[in-house]
Amino acid sequence: GAGVSQSPRYKVAKRGQDVALRCDPISGHVSLFWYQQALGQGPEFLTYFQNEAQLDKSGLPSDRFFAERPEGSVSTLKIQRTQQEDSAVYLCASSPLGRTRTDTQYFGPGTRLTVL
Amino acid sequence: EDQVTQSPEALRLQEGESSSLNCSYTVSGLRGLFWYRQDPGKGPEFLFTLYSAGEEKEKERLKATLTKKESFLHITAPKPEDSATYLCAVQSLNSGGSNYKLTFGKGTLLTVNP
Repeated sequence: GAGVSQSPRYKVAKRGQDVALRCDPISGHVSLFWYQQALGQGPEFLTYFQNEAQLDKSGLPSDRFFAERPEGSVSTLKIQRTQQEDSAVYLCASSPLGRTRTDTQYFGPGTRLTVL
Repeated sequence: EDQVTQSPEALRLQEGESSSLNCSYTVSGLRGLFWYRQDPGKGPEFLFTLYSAGEEKEKERLKATLTKKESFLHITAPKPEDSATYLCAVQSLNSGGSNYKLTFGKGTLLTVNP
């Protein structure tokens, strides 16, 4: 079956530009997560959605980062006025169940963002 | 704050040479410990979830074990296709209720030479 998909796979932005990264989770999955992975590091949590509700955005590094999931399926991570330190791979993950249960998070291939 | 430390950072093996990867963790209460495999340019691929000390899980040449302080990923008779970065992550219980996000280690880069 189809897994988590992300687009674009690669994005090059000039410093100061706005970017939008898209995530299509596995159909029917309730939970959706965004992580940031710097080169040579493990993924770091950014934000979490249960259906359309953003329940935790504690990992977003600044107010330039904004995420939404308006209909409870596709999600978009937007970064305004990009900075060089935003360069990283942005990973999306989804899981079938809600926050009260432990279940596996399935990851997409990621979007590699390079800010020049 | 939850912490995950993986060792070694990199490991080079000959085909057929068995070894183990270590994941040490500190959490307020463990809900689950996860192992993922990540190939270059790809997202993490799920391998195992362990929930309590003493638990073991196996998949082909891989076996994951869990104690109260650490987890091991044992690789038996590895093949070149096992080369990847192996990531360990914890999901914890904490008073804030944020018991769903994963906290990852930096990973172990495994290279298996033919």
